[in-house]
Amino acid sequence: EAGVAQSPRYKIIEKRQSVAFWCNPISGHATLYWYQQILGQGPKLLIQFQNNGVVDDSQLPKDRFSAERLKGVDSTLKIQPAKLEDSAVYLCASSLAQQVESEAFFGQGTRLTVV
Amino acid sequence: AQKVTQAQTEISVVEKEDVTLDCVYETRDTTYYLFWYKQPPSGELVFLIRRNSFDEQNEISGRYSWNFQKSTSSFNFTITASQVVDSAVYFCALRNTGRRALTFGSGTRLQVQP
Repeated sequence: EAGVAQSPRYKIIEKRQSVAFWCNPISGHATLYWYQQILGQGPKLLIQFQNNGVVDDSQLPKDRFSAERLKGVDSTLKIQPAKLEDSAVYLCASSLAQQVESEAFFGQGTRLTVV
Repeated sequence: AQKVTQAQTEISVVEKEDVTLDCVYETRDTTYYLFWYKQPPSGELVFLIRRNSFDEQNEISGRYSWNFQKSTSSFNFTITASQVVDSAVYFCALRNTGRRALTFGSGTRLQVQP
């Protein structure tokens, strides 16, 4: 079974530029998550989708971050404009359902460096 | 509010030693799940185990074992006879019925020296 695919693996941009990350979840997984993992910390949820609807975006900095999941499959996360503090690994995860016991499967992440 | 605390930032052991990673959680829910994930240098979080709040039975899987104690809100993870390949960052996480996303601890970096 193919895992969660993310691209690019690495990205370096200057502050105030924009950037986009792409995620392809495991086939059939209705729930998709984007997490931000700052160096030395645990992942923090940015947004959760159930199919193509947003379930939780309470911690998404909406003035600069946006995400969409068209057709309930692939998802993109965008940052515009980027700040230095956005340097982090952005992890995409998916799960079969949003039941509390459903385990989430993670991609390898995109490491963003803002200079 | 819910919170997961992993007080051990980094642990270094010599191969074949046993090591225990601590995890303490806070939640007001009576129904919740606890998870352990491993993050090797490649960056991908790998699921290790899930335990629900009604099942305090300890579990052993090969060299791994988990001790869930509801009375102390702890869900500790032990690796027996550690190996170099166990070197990674280990995260404890919590999910409750109100908030479906995982709340992670800050992780414990385990270094197993040959």
